[in-house]
Amino acid sequence: LAKTTQPISMDSYEGQEVNITCSHNNIATNDYITWYQQFPSQGPRFIIQGYKTKVTNEVASLFIPADRKSSTLSLPRVSLSDTAVYYCLVGGTGTASKLTFGTGTRLQVTL
Amino acid sequence: KAGVTQTPRYLIKTRGQQVTLSCSPISGHRSVSWYQQTPGQGLQFLFEYFSETQRNKGNFPGRFSGRQFSNSRSEMNVSTLELGDSALYLCASSPGDRSRLTEAFFGQGTRLTVV
Repeated sequence: LAKTTQPISMDSYEGQEVNITCSHNNIATNDYITWYQQFPSQGPRFIIQGYKTKVTNEVASLFIPADRKSSTLSLPRVSLSDTAVYYCLVGGTGTASKLTFGTGTRLQVTL
Repeated sequence: KAGVTQTPRYLIKTRGQQVTLSCSPISGHRSVSWYQQTPGQGLQFLFEYFSETQRNKGNFPGRFSGRQFSNSRSEMNVSTLELGDSALYLCASSPGDRSRLTEAFFGQGTRLTVV
């Protein structure tokens, strides 16, 4: 599985848009990019998944440039409850059962 | 649709003892994976069971084992507990179909403390 690099931590104020970038220079042709969110003492929760260009759902957007060597998770108008660790994962089909987590990005949202 | 259920939520054991953790996956999911999370090592993959067979295995010693029943429920066992086994143990459920990409659904975990 491709190695990922994310910032260790980020701070934001409530109501702002937060963009977390992940680098994955060795991404393979059949790899997808998936983001998970984890609150303390809970299991990770799937946020969004994409292959190229832009994907949007009810909680986030995922931007993937043409070379796919990086991706950006965008959280619109964050609230205090978005304070969590965000993990970027890269992998191909069949990898939902064997996930490789990096260090993640600890997002702290304050008033 | 019920989520992934892990029991117990908290557990305190003494060094040298053994422990069994349980995971009930989402109905219809055939794959159950186990992960260990510690502050120092982060989230690490232990093993995966699919249709009662171990399909993938992480880099953990043989003291860590598991099994899956015909109803897809899974148990994880750790024998001869060490202080370093103190961690949050997470179970993840997924359909298990390797032909397509899908998301994993995690339980809330079992917090194991070894004293």
